[in-house]
Amino acid sequence: SQQGEEDPQALSIQEGENATMNCSYKTSINNLQWYRQNSGRGLVHLILIRSNEREKHSGRLRVTLDTSKKSSSLLITASRAADTASYFCATDAGYGGATNKLIFGTGTLLAVQP
Amino acid sequence: DGGITQSPKYLFRKEGQNVTLSCEQNLNHDAMYWYRQDPGQGLRLIYYSQIVNDFQKGDIAEGYSVSREKKESFPLTVTSAQKNPTAFYLCASSLGLRGTVNQPQHFGDGTRLSIL
Repeated sequence: SQQGEEDPQALSIQEGENATMNCSYKTSINNLQWYRQNSGRGLVHLILIRSNEREKHSGRLRVTLDTSKKSSSLLITASRAADTASYFCATDAGYGGATNKLIFGTGTLLAVQP
Repeated sequence: DGGITQSPKYLFRKEGQNVTLSCEQNLNHDAMYWYRQDPGQGLRLIYYSQIVNDFQKGDIAEGYSVSREKKESFPLTVTSAQKNPTAFYLCASSLGLRGTVNQPQHFGDGTRLSIL
C-alpha cells in the first residue's frame, strides 16, 4: 500500500510564482524524501528531511515536516518552466530503517506556464 | 560519471513470453530495487536486494523474478505469469547496509514495457 498521499494531484502556475505541494503519511518515520520525475524519465532525489528536523532548505526548495500531523510540504520558490514535472514524497515508514526501502506517494503533477 | 543504466528503453512482449529488463550501476552501491509505475500512479516495489546473492520480494512480486549474481547488476524478468505487465519499470540503488538509515535512492531512466 502507498504510504504518502500528495495534495494537490495537479497544480498549474505561472512562471515566477511559488508552488506548494503537501504530503501526508500514516505511520512513524525515520526520514521523508522528495523526488522529481520529468516525463518519461527516472526519479531524481531532491531533498531528505530527518524525523527530528522541522525545516530544510536547498536552493529554491524549502521542505517542512510536522511529525505530529504526519505531514510534509515542499515549496518551490520563483518557479521556472523547467520545474514542470511530477513530484513525489517517499518515506521509510514501517520498515524501521532496517532495509532502506521507501514507500512512495501518488505524486503531484506541476505545470509551470511560461 | 557514475549512474544507473537501464536497457532497453522500450520493450514489447508477446503472449506467453518471458522478457528480461537490464539494470547496471557503477555507483558501488550494495542495495538495488525494482519498481513498477502505472500511468498517473506512484511507484510500487517489486523486488529489492540488500547485497549480492540475496534478494527479497516487495509488494507486487508475483509474476516477476530477479537475480543478483554481481554487485553491479540486478536484472528483472517479467514472466508469462504476469498478466498485466504493461507499465514503466524503474531500477534504483542506494548505499545499503553500509550506510545510514537515511539514504536517497538513485534511479535509472526506466524501461517502458508494452504487450504486442
